[in-house]
Amino acid sequence: EPEVTQTPSHQVTQMGQEVILRCVPISNHLYFYWYRQILGQKVEFLVSFYNNEISEKSEIFDDQFSVERPDGSNFTLKIRSTKLEDSAMYFCASSESITGELFFGEGSRLTVL
Amino acid sequence: GENVEQHPSTLSVQEGDSAVIKCTYSDSASNYFPWYKQELGKGPQLIIDIRSNVGEKKDQRIAVTLNKTAKHFSLHITETQPEDSAVYFCAALRGSARQLTFGSGTQLTVLP
Repeated sequence: EPEVTQTPSHQVTQMGQEVILRCVPISNHLYFYWYRQILGQKVEFLVSFYNNEISEKSEIFDDQFSVERPDGSNFTLKIRSTKLEDSAMYFCASSESITGELFFGEGSRLTVL
Repeated sequence: GENVEQHPSTLSVQEGDSAVIKCTYSDSASNYFPWYKQELGKGPQLIIDIRSNVGEKKDQRIAVTLNKTAKHFSLHITETQPEDSAVYFCAALRGSARQLTFGSGTQLTVLP
C-alpha cells in the first residue's frame, strides 16, 4: 500500500537554528499539506501546496516557515529560526485530488531546546 | 473559522461493547467529515468519512452519522476489540478548502 514517508522521525535542535523536515508524498498525489500537533493538543493545519505554490496557509505559518517541492518526489518544510514553541509533531499529508482522502505520514517530532 | 468540539476526551469500554464518540462543528459550510485513528507514534489514519449529502455511512464495525441541522456527527464502533484502542480524531472541512479542522481527540481504551 502506498504511503507518505517522513524524515527525520525525531530531530532535536537548539533555539534559533534552521530545521528542514522532509516528506515523500504518495507518487500520484497532487496536493500536499503540513499539519502539526503540539503534545496533548489538537492537530493543526499549517499549509497546503498545489501546482508548486501555496494554496492556503494558517496564522501559524508565518515568515519563519516555508515549503518547497525541490524535485518530483520530495516536499519540505523549513523553519528558519526555531523557537521553543515550535516543538511539536509535524505531519505531512497528501491527496490525489482536492476532494480526495488525505493520507498522513507518521510524523517528524521536533524538539527545540 | 471552523471550530470542532469532540467528546469524550477519554472512553473506556469492555471488549465487545460499543463505543460512541461525538463531535460538533460550527461552520455550516463544512461538508466533509473524516474520522482518524492515531496509534502511538504514528500518523492519523483515515477510518471512515462522510459527506454532507448523506446522513449515515457504515463500514463493517464502524459507522458515522451526520446531523447537518444540529451540526454534529458521531462515530460508532460496535463489537470493540483491544486493537481498537487508540486516539480517535474527528475533523471537518469546508468546501474546496483543504484546511481540516480537528477535534481534540478521544483516547479509547478497550479492556479485554
